[in-house]
Amino acid sequence: DSGVTQTPKHLITATGQRVTLRCSPRSGDLSVYWYQQSLDQGLQFLIQYYNGEERAKGNILERFSAQQFPDLHSELNLSSLELGDSALYFCASSAYDRGAYEQYFGPGTRLTVT
Amino acid sequence: AQTVTQSQPEMSVQEAETVTLSCTYDTSESDYYLFWYKQPPSRQMILVIRQEAYKQQNATENRFSVNFQKAAKSFSLKISDSQLGDAAMYFCAYSPQTSGTYKYIFGTGTRLKVLA
Repeated sequence: DSGVTQTPKHLITATGQRVTLRCSPRSGDLSVYWYQQSLDQGLQFLIQYYNGEERAKGNILERFSAQQFPDLHSELNLSSLELGDSALYFCASSAYDRGAYEQYFGPGTRLTVT
Repeated sequence: AQTVTQSQPEMSVQEAETVTLSCTYDTSESDYYLFWYKQPPSRQMILVIRQEAYKQQNATENRFSVNFQKAAKSFSLKISDSQLGDAAMYFCAYSPQTSGTYKYIFGTGTRLKVLA
């Protein structure tokens, strides 16, 4: 158990809908990262937050947005969903904003868009 | 552009034998970290080993060790005395330390099969 929690575990929704994925980092970790893993692919970095502020953006679509709240949990919002958005979405946390300290991954949320 | 390449989509090893998974990366940064993560069928991402670029000594964690060749930008993972539980996808990841973004850049993964 990494200490990072993600809810829900599975999500099935229809095209055009909007969903929110939630992540709670390990206790004390200030950085949260979101990654997308499409079927049998590597993980693609989406976005990073540090202590409530956006720190880095990767290949995140404009239909996607995220935020980190004062209690440090983070939410990833996916809107106008398309079939291609079906993937495993991982959240990871680290103690500092430097990647030198390894990232601890949550169990992921599997999103299926039908 | 910073990229990570894992050229072996799939590898097989006999139980108790040794296997080496390859990873190369491309960067102009001088300060970075490299990681190997294991993803079993449960899909959980599990850190196997990490290497700081400024350290010449290769990292070792029990049966797992790396061969880090900085000039060649190569970072291979050696698994000794392979066990059935080692069967998983293995991802190599790179994390820059100087560019202001500390995201991980992952390779496409190597699926390791362990044969009894």
